[in-house]
Amino acid sequence: AQSVTQLGSHVSVSEGALVLLRCNYSSSVPPYLFWYVQYPNQGLQLLLKYTTGATLVKGINGFEAEFKKSETSFHLTKPSAHMSDAAEYFCAVSDRISGGSNYKLTFGKGTLLTVNP
Amino acid sequence: KAGVTQTPRYLIKTRGQQVTLSCSPISGHRSVSWYQQTPGQGLQFLFEYFSETQRNKGNFPGRFSGRQFSNSRSEMNVSTLELGDSALYLCASSWEQVRGSETQYFGPGTRLLVL
Repeated sequence: AQSVTQLGSHVSVSEGALVLLRCNYSSSVPPYLFWYVQYPNQGLQLLLKYTTGATLVKGINGFEAEFKKSETSFHLTKPSAHMSDAAEYFCAVSDRISGGSNYKLTFGKGTLLTVNP
Repeated sequence: KAGVTQTPRYLIKTRGQQVTLSCSPISGHRSVSWYQQTPGQGLQFLFEYFSETQRNKGNFPGRFSGRQFSNSRSEMNVSTLELGDSALYLCASSWEQVRGSETQYFGPGTRLLVL
Protein backbone atom coordinates (compact mmCIF):
# COMPACT_ATOMS: atom_id res chain seq x y z
CA ALA A 1 0.00 0.00 0.00
CA GLN A 2 1.12 3.49 -0.70
CA SER A 3 1.58 6.18 1.92
CA VAL A 4 1.63 9.96 2.01
CA THR A 5 3.59 12.16 4.39
CA GLN A 6 2.80 15.81 4.87
CA LEU A 7 5.61 17.60 6.64
CA GLY A 8 4.23 20.10 9.11
CA SER A 9 0.79 19.71 10.59
CA HIS A 10 0.49 23.49 10.92
CA VAL A 11 1.93 26.20 8.68
CA SER A 12 1.53 29.88 9.40
CA VAL A 13 2.24 32.61 6.83
CA SER A 14 1.58 36.31 6.48
CA GLU A 15 -0.84 37.63 3.93
CA GLY A 16 1.03 38.14 0.66
CA ALA A 17 3.76 35.65 1.54
CA LEU A 18 4.64 32.48 -0.30
CA VAL A 19 2.72 29.37 0.66
CA LEU A 20 4.60 26.06 0.58
CA LEU A 21 2.96 22.88 1.79
CA ARG A 22 5.05 19.74 1.57
CA CYS A 23 3.95 16.29 0.47
CA ASN A 24 6.00 13.15 -0.06
CA TYR A 25 4.62 9.84 -1.21
CA SER A 26 5.82 6.28 -1.35
CA SER A 27 5.03 4.45 -4.54
CA SER A 28 6.66 1.73 -6.57
CA VAL A 29 4.76 2.74 -9.68
CA PRO A 30 3.98 6.14 -11.22
CA PRO A 31 1.39 7.64 -8.93
CA TYR A 32 -1.70 9.71 -9.38
CA LEU A 33 -1.50 12.57 -6.90
CA PHE A 34 -4.08 15.00 -5.60
CA TRP A 35 -4.33 18.04 -3.38
CA TYR A 36 -7.63 18.73 -1.64
CA VAL A 37 -8.64 21.65 0.57
CA GLN A 38 -11.10 21.51 3.44
CA TYR A 39 -12.69 24.63 4.87
CA PRO A 40 -14.26 24.49 8.34
CA ASN A 41 -17.39 22.37 8.50
CA GLN A 42 -17.15 21.45 4.84
CA GLY A 43 -16.13 18.52 2.73
CA LEU A 44 -13.02 18.25 0.57
CA GLN A 45 -12.60 20.27 -2.59
CA LEU A 46 -10.12 19.31 -5.29
CA LEU A 47 -7.38 21.90 -5.83
CA LEU A 48 -5.39 20.05 -8.48
CA LYS A 49 -4.19 16.64 -9.55
CA TYR A 50 -1.29 15.04 -11.38
CA THR A 51 -1.92 12.10 -13.65
CA THR A 52 0.55 12.12 -16.53
CA GLY A 53 2.37 14.64 -18.71
CA ALA A 54 3.50 18.04 -17.48
CA THR A 55 4.99 17.81 -14.03
CA LEU A 56 3.95 21.35 -13.05
CA VAL A 57 0.23 21.29 -12.41
CA LYS A 58 -1.88 24.41 -12.03
CA GLY A 59 -5.01 24.34 -9.95
CA ILE A 60 -7.74 26.59 -8.70
CA ASN A 61 -7.29 29.72 -6.58
CA GLY A 62 -3.73 30.30 -7.83
CA PHE A 63 -2.26 27.09 -6.41
CA GLU A 64 0.16 24.88 -8.26
CA ALA A 65 2.20 21.78 -7.50
CA GLU A 66 5.20 20.13 -9.05
CA PHE A 67 5.63 16.40 -9.35
CA LYS A 68 9.25 15.40 -8.74
CA LYS A 69 9.73 11.71 -9.26
CA SER A 70 13.35 11.68 -8.08
CA GLU A 71 12.33 13.23 -4.78
CA THR A 72 8.95 11.42 -4.54
CA SER A 73 7.43 14.80 -3.78
CA PHE A 74 4.38 16.79 -4.80
CA HIS A 75 4.64 20.08 -2.91
CA LEU A 76 1.87 22.66 -3.14
CA THR A 77 2.70 26.34 -3.62
CA LYS A 78 1.01 29.68 -4.03
CA PRO A 79 3.02 32.86 -4.63
CA SER A 80 0.91 35.15 -2.47
CA ALA A 81 -1.32 34.02 0.38
CA HIS A 82 -4.78 35.46 0.91
CA MET A 83 -6.79 35.39 4.10
CA SER A 84 -9.32 33.20 2.31
CA ASP A 85 -6.65 30.48 1.87
CA ALA A 86 -6.83 29.62 5.57
CA ALA A 87 -7.98 26.00 5.63
CA GLU A 88 -6.70 22.45 5.98
CA TYR A 89 -4.92 20.95 3.00
CA PHE A 90 -4.65 17.26 2.22
CA CYS A 91 -2.31 15.52 -0.15
CA ALA A 92 -3.53 12.17 -1.47
CA VAL A 93 -2.33 9.36 -3.69
CA SER A 94 -4.58 7.12 -5.71
CA ASP A 95 -3.90 3.67 -4.38
CA ARG A 96 -4.85 0.52 -6.28
CA ILE A 97 -6.84 -1.65 -3.94
CA SER A 98 -5.08 -4.92 -3.23
CA GLY A 99 -6.38 -7.71 -5.42
CA GLY A 100 -8.71 -5.38 -7.21
CA SER A 101 -8.84 -3.29 -10.33
CA ASN A 102 -10.07 -0.06 -8.84
CA TYR A 103 -8.67 2.59 -6.60
CA LYS A 104 -9.06 4.43 -3.34
CA LEU A 105 -7.49 7.59 -2.05
CA THR A 106 -4.83 7.38 0.63
CA PHE A 107 -4.49 10.70 2.39
CA GLY A 108 -1.77 12.44 4.32
CA LYS A 109 -2.57 13.69 7.82
CA GLY A 110 -3.23 17.19 6.56
CA THR A 111 -1.63 20.61 7.02
CA LEU A 112 -3.55 23.43 8.64
CA LEU A 113 -2.70 26.72 6.96
CA THR A 114 -3.09 29.90 8.96
CA VAL A 115 -2.81 33.27 7.20
CA ASN A 116 -1.96 36.25 9.38
CA PRO A 117 -2.97 39.79 8.40
CA LYS B 1 -25.08 20.07 -11.83
CA ALA B 2 -25.76 19.47 -8.14
CA GLY B 3 -22.88 18.25 -6.02
CA VAL B 4 -22.70 15.34 -3.63
CA THR B 5 -25.25 15.66 -0.86
CA GLN B 6 -25.21 13.98 2.53
CA THR B 7 -27.91 13.74 5.15
CA PRO B 8 -28.13 14.39 7.95
CA ARG B 9 -25.35 16.92 8.46
CA TYR B 10 -25.18 16.42 12.20
CA LEU B 11 -26.16 13.52 14.40
CA ILE B 12 -25.93 12.75 18.10
CA LYS B 13 -26.30 9.16 19.28
CA THR B 14 -25.54 7.19 22.41
CA ARG B 15 -23.34 4.13 22.76
CA GLY B 16 -24.95 0.94 21.62
CA GLN B 17 -27.34 2.59 19.19
CA GLN B 18 -27.13 2.25 15.45
CA VAL B 19 -27.08 4.96 12.81
CA THR B 20 -27.72 5.26 9.08
CA LEU B 21 -26.13 7.95 6.95
CA SER B 22 -27.20 8.80 3.43
CA CYS B 23 -25.31 10.00 0.37
CA SER B 24 -26.60 11.12 -3.02
CA PRO B 25 -23.84 11.23 -5.65
CA ILE B 26 -23.47 13.62 -8.53
CA SER B 27 -25.89 12.72 -11.29
CA GLY B 28 -24.35 10.10 -13.57
CA HIS B 29 -21.71 8.99 -11.09
CA ARG B 30 -21.90 5.30 -10.31
CA SER B 31 -19.08 4.90 -7.81
CA VAL B 32 -19.60 5.97 -4.21
CA SER B 33 -16.87 5.79 -1.60
CA TRP B 34 -17.07 6.44 2.12
CA TYR B 35 -14.32 7.83 4.34
CA GLN B 36 -14.07 8.39 8.07
CA GLN B 37 -12.25 11.50 9.28
CA THR B 38 -11.03 11.83 12.86
CA PRO B 39 -8.39 14.08 14.43
CA GLY B 40 -6.28 11.12 15.46
CA GLN B 41 -6.47 8.84 12.43
CA GLY B 42 -7.12 11.37 9.70
CA LEU B 43 -9.02 10.29 6.60
CA GLN B 44 -9.52 6.56 6.26
CA PHE B 45 -11.22 4.59 3.51
CA LEU B 46 -14.30 2.66 4.63
CA PHE B 47 -15.71 1.09 1.47
CA GLU B 48 -16.69 1.69 -2.11
CA TYR B 49 -19.83 0.77 -4.01
CA PHE B 50 -20.41 0.48 -7.72
CA SER B 51 -23.61 -0.61 -9.43
CA GLU B 52 -25.12 -1.73 -6.11
CA THR B 53 -22.12 -3.93 -5.28
CA GLN B 54 -19.49 -3.38 -2.64
CA ARG B 55 -16.25 -3.63 -4.52
CA ASN B 56 -13.84 -2.96 -1.73
CA LYS B 57 -13.71 -2.47 2.00
CA GLY B 58 -11.18 -0.79 4.23
CA ASN B 59 -9.91 -2.02 7.54
CA PHE B 60 -12.98 -1.42 9.67
CA PRO B 61 -14.98 -3.85 11.84
CA GLY B 62 -18.12 -5.53 10.57
CA ARG B 63 -20.24 -3.02 12.51
CA PHE B 64 -19.68 -0.72 9.55
CA SER B 65 -21.73 -1.65 6.53
CA GLY B 66 -23.33 -0.01 3.57
CA ARG B 67 -25.37 -0.45 0.48
CA GLN B 68 -26.07 1.23 -2.81
CA PHE B 69 -29.38 1.56 -4.57
CA SER B 70 -30.17 1.36 -8.26
CA ASN B 71 -30.13 5.17 -8.53
CA SER B 72 -26.56 5.12 -7.11
CA ARG B 73 -27.60 6.65 -3.80
CA SER B 74 -25.75 5.02 -0.95
CA GLU B 75 -26.32 4.48 2.72
CA MET B 76 -23.84 3.67 5.42
CA ASN B 77 -24.82 1.94 8.65
CA VAL B 78 -22.95 1.66 11.91
CA SER B 79 -24.35 -0.72 14.50
CA THR B 80 -23.59 -0.89 18.21
CA LEU B 81 -22.01 2.54 18.26
CA GLU B 82 -18.86 3.13 20.28
CA LEU B 83 -17.41 6.42 21.52
CA GLY B 84 -14.59 6.06 19.01
CA ASP B 85 -17.04 6.15 16.12
CA SER B 86 -17.44 9.89 16.66
CA ALA B 87 -16.15 11.36 13.42
CA LEU B 88 -16.93 13.19 10.23
CA TYR B 89 -18.14 10.71 7.64
CA LEU B 90 -17.49 11.79 4.09
CA CYS B 91 -18.99 10.42 0.95
CA ALA B 92 -17.31 10.82 -2.43
CA SER B 93 -18.57 10.03 -5.90
CA SER B 94 -16.93 9.48 -9.27
CA TRP B 95 -17.80 7.96 -12.64
CA GLU B 96 -16.34 4.50 -12.22
CA GLN B 97 -13.17 4.69 -10.12
CA VAL B 98 -11.44 2.07 -12.24
CA ARG B 99 -8.80 4.52 -13.34
CA GLY B 100 -6.69 5.97 -10.58
CA SER B 101 -6.73 9.36 -12.27
CA GLU B 102 -10.43 9.90 -11.73
CA THR B 103 -11.40 12.73 -9.42
CA GLN B 104 -13.51 11.88 -6.42
CA TYR B 105 -15.99 14.61 -5.52
CA PHE B 106 -16.77 14.92 -1.84
CA GLY B 107 -19.92 15.83 -0.01
CA PRO B 108 -20.03 18.10 3.06
CA GLY B 109 -20.02 15.16 5.41
CA THR B 110 -22.11 13.97 8.32
CA ARG B 111 -20.69 14.78 11.73
CA LEU B 112 -21.55 11.99 14.17
CA LEU B 113 -21.15 12.43 17.89
CA VAL B 114 -21.50 9.36 20.09
CA LEU B 115 -22.15 10.01 23.78
